[in-house]
Amino acid sequence: ETGVTQSPTHLIKTRGQQVTLRCSSQSGHNTVSWYQQALGQGPQFIFQYYREEENGRGNFPPRFSGLQFPNYSSELNVNALELDDSALYLCASSSGTSGTVGELFFGEGSRLTVL
Amino acid sequence: AQSVTQLGSHVSVSEGALVLLRCNYSSSVPPYLFWYVQYPNQGLQLLLKYTTGATLVKGINGFEAEFKKSETSFHLTKPSAHMSDAAEYFCAVSDRGTYKYIFGTGTRLKVLA
Repeated sequence: ETGVTQSPTHLIKTRGQQVTLRCSSQSGHNTVSWYQQALGQGPQFIFQYYREEENGRGNFPPRFSGLQFPNYSSELNVNALELDDSALYLCASSSGTSGTVGELFFGEGSRLTVL
Repeated sequence: AQSVTQLGSHVSVSEGALVLLRCNYSSSVPPYLFWYVQYPNQGLQLLLKYTTGATLVKGINGFEAEFKKSETSFHLTKPSAHMSDAAEYFCAVSDRGTYKYIFGTGTRLKVLA
C-alpha cells in the first residue's frame, strides 16, 4: 500500500510569487486535506477535497486554492506569497469506507520558505 | 468552537521514567481524539485514537491514552521512556463525521540519558 507522497519537499520563493504543491493520496483514499504548520506551531486546517470538490475550509484567504483530480491526487496553490506563508504544508488523505473512521494519513510535507 | 490545549510546550524525562503529556479539549459533544508524533523534518504519524467504546486506548510504541469526559481530557502516557521517544507530540480533536482536525500547539518531549 502506497502512502501519501508530497512534492516538492523543499522550495524557496520570493514575496509576491505563486507556488503549487502536489500530493498523491494513499491508495483507496478519496479525501484529501491540506494543513499549514508554521514553525513551532500545530498544523492548521486549510481545506479539504472530496471527490474533486472543496468540502470544508479553514480560516485562510482566497489566495489559497486547491484542486483534486479524478485519481484523487491534489494540488495546493498559493498566490501572492507573503513572508508569513513560510511553513511546512502537510497533505493528508482519508477514506470514510476504510473502516478507520476519522483517521488522517499524513505525508512528510513540503517546506516552503518565502524570502 | 472546538479547541485543544496541550499543557507544557517542553517536557523532559529521564530514560525509563514515566511519560505524561497532557491534553484538554473543549467541545459540546464528545469528539474524536487523536495523538500524533512528529520526528524532525517528517510528517505526522498516528500514535492512537479514541472514537467510541473503551476509554483507555492503546497505541503504537507502548503509548496509551485515557478519554475522561468529565475532565475533557485525553492525556498520553508511557510507563517507561526510551531515547527514541524524543519527538514532538500533537493532540488533535475532530467533530464526528468530519476530517477537519483541530491541533494543539504540541509538546516537545526530551528524553535524558
